[in-house]
This record gives sequence, C-alpha cells and structure tokens, in this order.
Amino acid sequence: EAQVTQNPRYLITVTGKKLTVTCSQNMNHEYMSWYRQDPGLGLRQIYYSMNVEVTDKGDVPEGYKVSRKEKRNFPLILESPSPNQTSLYFCASSPRGGIGEQYFGPGTRLTVT
Amino acid sequence: DAKTTQPPSMDCAEGRAANLPCNHSTISGNEYVYWYRQIHSQGPQYIIHGLKNNETNEMASLIITEDRKSSTLILPHATLRDTAVYYCIVRVGLVGNQGGKLIFGQGTELSVKP
Repeated sequence: EAQVTQNPRYLITVTGKKLTVTCSQNMNHEYMSWYRQDPGLGLRQIYYSMNVEVTDKGDVPEGYKVSRKEKRNFPLILESPSPNQTSLYFCASSPRGGIGEQYFGPGTRLTVT
Repeated sequence: DAKTTQPPSMDCAEGRAANLPCNHSTISGNEYVYWYRQIHSQGPQYIIHGLKNNETNEMASLIITEDRKSSTLILPHATLRDTAVYYCIVRVGLVGNQGGKLIFGQGTELSVKP
C-alpha cells in the first residue's frame, strides 16, 4: 500500500532532550516536507526537500533540523526541544518536485513539558 | 500569509451537493488552485487541483472563474464522512525553490448533517 508513515505517533518528552521523528514513504517520491499544525495558526511548513541531499527551510524552521540521505526517509530532528514545539506534526511527500498532490502521513502529536 | 479567503463554516444536508467557495483575487498566472481536506486531526487529504480549466475527478469538481479570482469546490452528493475542514490553496508551479510549499489558511469547516 502506498503510504507515508511517521513514528512515533505520540510522544511526551521533557525540555532539552533530543528527539527524532521519522518519516518514510514507499512511493519513490522526490519531494518531502514537514509541517506543524497549531490551533488558530493552521499548518505551517518547517522544512522541505526537493530530492536526496537537497533541503531548504520553510516558514518556521527555527529549532528543527532535517536530513535527506535516502529518497524514502526524511527525519525531523529536535536537538533541544522546548514547550513551544508542542504541536501536531505532519510529513508529506509528492512525486514531482512538489507539484501535484502531496500525500500526508498520519501525524505525530508531540508534547514537550 | 494565505492568499485565499474562505468562509469559516458551512452546513450541508446529506445527499445534497456541497459548494465550497474560495476567493483568490491576487492569484498569479502560474499559480494553481489546490483543495485539500482534513478530517479531525488526520493528515490532510488531496482532493483536486486546477490552473484555468474546470476539473473533475472521482471525489469532486473544481470550477474556476474565467478571471481566476475565485473558485468553487463541489462535492456532488455529500455524505456524513465528508464532514471535515476544507482548505483552498494557491501555489506556484515548479518555480525556483517555492514549488513545493503549500500555504494553508484557516479553511472552511463543512458539517454534513443527516
């Protein structure tokens, strides 16, 4: 089944403890992206990747890192999480440089205390 | 900032057509109109997109005005499972490094009622 998977789906952690949220797609898509969703602010793009080894900042990149060593994986790294990074995170992928439809993962709900 | 304006909420009777409007008066010639929906904190789901011409797929129809300043998403026979937040998004094609960005606004919360 074609899909985007994220792990973990739920995470509660403490301030400053490094964490990684994984994202994987099995559709051989070039483009991948991370969004966060907060009440009243909608979905905002954090980082995106047009292809392997090509990443760029979205609208809210502060406090996050990404890497794209393989086409299928696009992990989101929080080196020192803070409470303002408590949010619902979505990974997405798309076949052609981001145009056309984007397929979203099921989301990761992160709470930083 | 989102470049679209949508009503915050709408109701629709089950089995009837749901017509969701969207204004995008500042749309540029190379910008597409996309529609996604999100059901209760699940990942957004692509519905349809278009540039100039009206489009139809198995989920919905997209009607774009001739001046491209507004569009309407039509769900021809709404069901209870269509209750969701619907997002209208305009975005550029593959231009520079902005090709992939989706800028979500607040969307329209559609409630389909029995």
